[in-house]
Amino acid sequence: AQSVTQPDIHITVSEGASLELRCNYSYGATPYLFWYVQSPGQGLQLLLKYFSGDTLVQGIKGFEAEFKRSQSSFNLRKPSVHWSDAAEYFCAVATHSGGYNKLIFGAGTRLAVHP
Amino acid sequence: DVKVTQSSRYLVKRTGEKVFLECVQDMDHENMFWYRQDPGLGLRLIYFSYDVKMKEKGDIPEGYSVSREKKERFSLILESASTNQTSMYLCASSFGDGYTFGSGTRLTVV
Repeated sequence: AQSVTQPDIHITVSEGASLELRCNYSYGATPYLFWYVQSPGQGLQLLLKYFSGDTLVQGIKGFEAEFKRSQSSFNLRKPSVHWSDAAEYFCAVATHSGGYNKLIFGAGTRLAVHP
Repeated sequence: DVKVTQSSRYLVKRTGEKVFLECVQDMDHENMFWYRQDPGLGLRLIYFSYDVKMKEKGDIPEGYSVSREKKERFSLILESASTNQTSMYLCASSFGDGYTFGSGTRLTVV
């Protein structure tokens, strides 16, 4: 069955430090992968997505993610975190079965940023 | 930009009530989805619809039903609300692999 695992429930970093959020997926076919961010009280905003091609994907707000098929991973990175990056981050995989597309999400990683 | 609008930001309902959560999208998307978000569990798919009057069960459909009479509107129905349905509910619409989410409805069942 398709699934997404985000091993870290909470991460705390200092402002200006680098960030890596981990995501592993289980999916038999070529995955379509997404990272979303949810600020408190808000809906989900798409940070970036990977469908094919270059395995290093650039997104909004200075984020990037790297698809590694051999490790079934799609980790999110940012070289220097800002206090406004404090939010919850969700990794998702789009499944294509029975002619329908739908998103399966990980449990999320809550990021806290210390000044 | 596609807009997905959820009619209520916060709702408080009593146990046993029939509850309707409404979602409207403005870009003629074929697909619409209802997710439930709980801490530590992420977003779990309740139901989705790929066309008017068509629906498919997601991963956690028990206790819920849906209605899609018009393409732009997708309603989630709690037939008899229970306290374990207290949660954040997110609606989404999609065309291909582009998904847009509403801001969510936080439902409390007392």
